[in-house]
Amino acid sequence: GAGVSQTPSNKVTEKGKYVELRCDPISGHTALYWYRQSLGQGPEFLIYFQGTGAADDSGLPNDRFFAVRPEGSVSTLKIQRTERGDSAVYLCASSLQGNYGYTFGSGTRLTVV
Amino acid sequence: DQQVKQNSPSLSVQEGRISILNCDYTNSMFDYFLWYKKYPAEGPTFLISISSIKDKNEDGRFTVFLNKSAKHLSLHIVPSQPGDSAVYFCAASENYGGSQGNLIFGKGTKLSVKP
Repeated sequence: GAGVSQTPSNKVTEKGKYVELRCDPISGHTALYWYRQSLGQGPEFLIYFQGTGAADDSGLPNDRFFAVRPEGSVSTLKIQRTERGDSAVYLCASSLQGNYGYTFGSGTRLTVV
Repeated sequence: DQQVKQNSPSLSVQEGRISILNCDYTNSMFDYFLWYKKYPAEGPTFLISISSIKDKNEDGRFTVFLNKSAKHLSLHIVPSQPGDSAVYFCAASENYGGSQGNLIFGKGTKLSVKP
């Protein structure tokens, strides 16, 4: 597509529930990134994929968070047993071969109530 | 402890004047720096970057200056336009040109350009 698409744009879930956030990167971009932006903060790195594999998952806060990119294009960020502190905007970005001029999507605003 | 600091949460400038946004960093291993611009309800948009081997990079109305000894960089916008009103994020990385994706972002500075 023309840009990075993230769905849903908004998600409200109850504490303890499981959620999946989807990212559709720009066609042909091999690198895909997930960031999280809490209120009043800058984006915080979560995980980086090069192709199908997670090249760097050092930013995932704990084992409740997991991400996949099985075919090297669409990625899904999965959060188990959600907590109120998980509430944030989850941003996905992609780039060609991992250069830094990422293109970000508009994000998914997750609210855990 | 924050490795990338933007100490001014907001900045207000008159249209046509210069906007100067500042950023400080603590990690001397950072070798690549970027500025992103963000409008409400949109993702950040890449604006301009600079590698540590340079001290200045210019792109139209936007210039980024890097002072490695002071661990400081700044973004100059001249002349400022109302459409420049947005939140500006400074970001840094240890892996210039490489395929490492980890950017460290500051908290952002909200720029308001008044007509």
